[in-house]
Amino acid sequence: AQKITQTQPGMFVQEKEAVTLDCTYDTSDQSYGLFWYKQPSSGEMIFLIYQGSYDEQNATEGRYSLNFQKARKSANLVISASQLGDSAMYFCAMREPRVGNNRKLIWGLGTSLAVNP
Amino acid sequence: NAGVTQTPKFQVLKTGQSMTLQCAQDMNHNSMYWYRQDPGMGLRLIYYSASEGTTDKGEVPNGYNVSRLNKREFSLRLESAAPSQTSVYFCASSYSRAGFTEAFFGQGTRLTVV
Repeated sequence: AQKITQTQPGMFVQEKEAVTLDCTYDTSDQSYGLFWYKQPSSGEMIFLIYQGSYDEQNATEGRYSLNFQKARKSANLVISASQLGDSAMYFCAMREPRVGNNRKLIWGLGTSLAVNP
Repeated sequence: NAGVTQTPKFQVLKTGQSMTLQCAQDMNHNSMYWYRQDPGMGLRLIYYSASEGTTDKGEVPNGYNVSRLNKREFSLRLESAAPSQTSVYFCASSYSRAGFTEAFFGQGTRLTVV
């Protein structure tokens, strides 16, 4: 069965430094997608970045990049030049294979990131 | 640019009361979802709707019912609330197309059952 594991319940980083949040996944499917979401203390879920299993290059979106290592089944989120506003919960998710018209997301338990000034 | 709108944002219920959480999206998405979020348990799927007129159970459907009223609206009903249903509820929607299914979330509903 598909599964997402985030092994770091909490992380600390100094402002302006880079930080890597770990995500490993388990799937027997060849076609899948990996997502990262941010949840600040205000509670909303914000989409950050996406990586498809067939994408040859690592995804990047501004200060966010995804270190995708397919053989290791890992999809770590790298945040460069951390800012105080990056303090939040971060969730890794994987898209399930298509069932009919629907592709559900499987979620990890999240990593709490605190950025220190 | 409303995106996904959930109402209400906060609600307190007494055990045994019923209520309906409303969700509407204006992005013409075909798939909609209801999740609950509890401390230490991440997001758990309650029900989803792949398209207008269809609904399916997720991981934790017991105690809930849903209605996909039209393409825009997907409501979640608690018929007889229990303290175990105290949680934060999120509605989400996505457009299923090949290779990418980004989900957009509502602001969440914080429900307390006393």
